[in-house]
Amino acid sequence: AQKITQTQPGMFVQEKEAVTLDCTYDTSDPSYGLFWYKQPSSGEMIFLIYQGSYDQQNATEGRYSLNFQKARKSANLVISASQLGDSAMYFCAIRRYSGATNKLIFGTGTLLAVQP
Amino acid sequence: ETGVTQSPTHLIKTRGQQVTLRCSSQSGHNTVSWYQQALGQGPQFIFQYYREEENGRGNFPPRFSGLQFPNYSSELNVNALELDDSALYLCASSLWERQVDSYNEQFFGPGTRLTVL
Repeated sequence: AQKITQTQPGMFVQEKEAVTLDCTYDTSDPSYGLFWYKQPSSGEMIFLIYQGSYDQQNATEGRYSLNFQKARKSANLVISASQLGDSAMYFCAIRRYSGATNKLIFGTGTLLAVQP
Repeated sequence: ETGVTQSPTHLIKTRGQQVTLRCSSQSGHNTVSWYQQALGQGPQFIFQYYREEENGRGNFPPRFSGLQFPNYSSELNVNALELDDSALYLCASSLWERQVDSYNEQFFGPGTRLTVL
């Protein structure tokens, strides 16, 4: 079974500051993928960044980077230079690395509020 | 490139009724997954359709059923609605290629918000 834990229900950050959103996971699969999604109040899940369990380097996508620590089973999202538009719910998710079933297991999310 | 669309955006039903939600997948995608997101929770996987067949299911009762059509669009049907079925229903499409068999990014639609009274 796979499980995602996000322990921060809510976070505040000042505009232009960096923020780290925590995510720990549990899985018995030898290979897996970790995802972060952003969900604005409109409801749509927006893909931000992906990390494969065998990737040697931490993933980066623009202002988003993933601090992947496999031994500690953590996959924290770092957002640099926060913007007001970053205010949203953020979900961490895990899935098996391969196979036709694209089942994502999500955490409970972190609500990020960016203050001017 | 056309994104994932869902209809309707909002729906109100009463307990015991049946509902059908619709999803059009992104152009070029062959797989559709459905998720239920209750208020304050993360999305939960309901099931997935690949080439018109269900090929994965979460912990949901049989009154949750689906279809996928030859154009890869999909329907989610829920019978005998219960109050706890009130949620945001998200559809996600992706492209799975058997010969590649690697992770495939899912693109989500805007969701259908179902309220059961």
